[in-house]
Amino acid sequence: IAGITQAPTSQILAAGRRMTLRCTQDMRHNAMYWYRQDLGLGLRLIHYSNTAGTTGKGEVPDGYSVSRANTDDFPLTLASAVPSQTSVYFCASKPLAGGTGELFFGEGSRLTVL
Amino acid sequence: GENVEQHPSTLSVQEGDSAVIKCTYSDSASNYFPWYKQELGKGPQLIIDIRSNVGEKKDQRIAVTLNKTAKHFSLHITETQPEDSAVYFCAASMWGGQGAQKLVFGQGTRLTINP
Repeated sequence: IAGITQAPTSQILAAGRRMTLRCTQDMRHNAMYWYRQDLGLGLRLIHYSNTAGTTGKGEVPDGYSVSRANTDDFPLTLASAVPSQTSVYFCASKPLAGGTGELFFGEGSRLTVL
Repeated sequence: GENVEQHPSTLSVQEGDSAVIKCTYSDSASNYFPWYKQELGKGPQLIIDIRSNVGEKKDQRIAVTLNKTAKHFSLHITETQPEDSAVYFCAASMWGGQGAQKLVFGQGTRLTINP
């Protein structure tokens, strides 16, 4: 079982460019999340989705967009990257019903915006 | 909204000693408190969690305590081993209710176990 797969694992990007971080899960989890991790700030929620076709804003949504066309995929797009978006991005998922509450994380995508 | 504060940011202990990490939260409606461990280059993984209907939960060398009145909870690791070296995150949220749980994480604690 692969769990959650994120791509790319690492990327250097020029400011102003568009970038999509990909996230795919094979656990048929309803809920999916995008977090960014910055030193001293922990993990902050960017966007989330309770189920396919719905999305919601987290703590730090500005500059990011998401879509949830199906259960498995939850891409995160930076329309015009800025240096403050340099971070490590984690995708996570969990079942909404019948689960223990555990979030399952991918291994992260390290993004550097110059 | 919920705000979670975690201390200390770094912690160094001798192998075999105990380690304690503390968190406070702001929203009295929160009732689910997990702890995640993140090893280098990996995503966080759940190691233990507690809900507000209990005050303490143990799993081998790991325990979590919760004080709802004071709005704080702690992670205790006994008989520490080198493989306990990692970054630990506490989190808080409501359990159930409308929509997915939206966990709010603390800032993280880098734990180093010295041989």
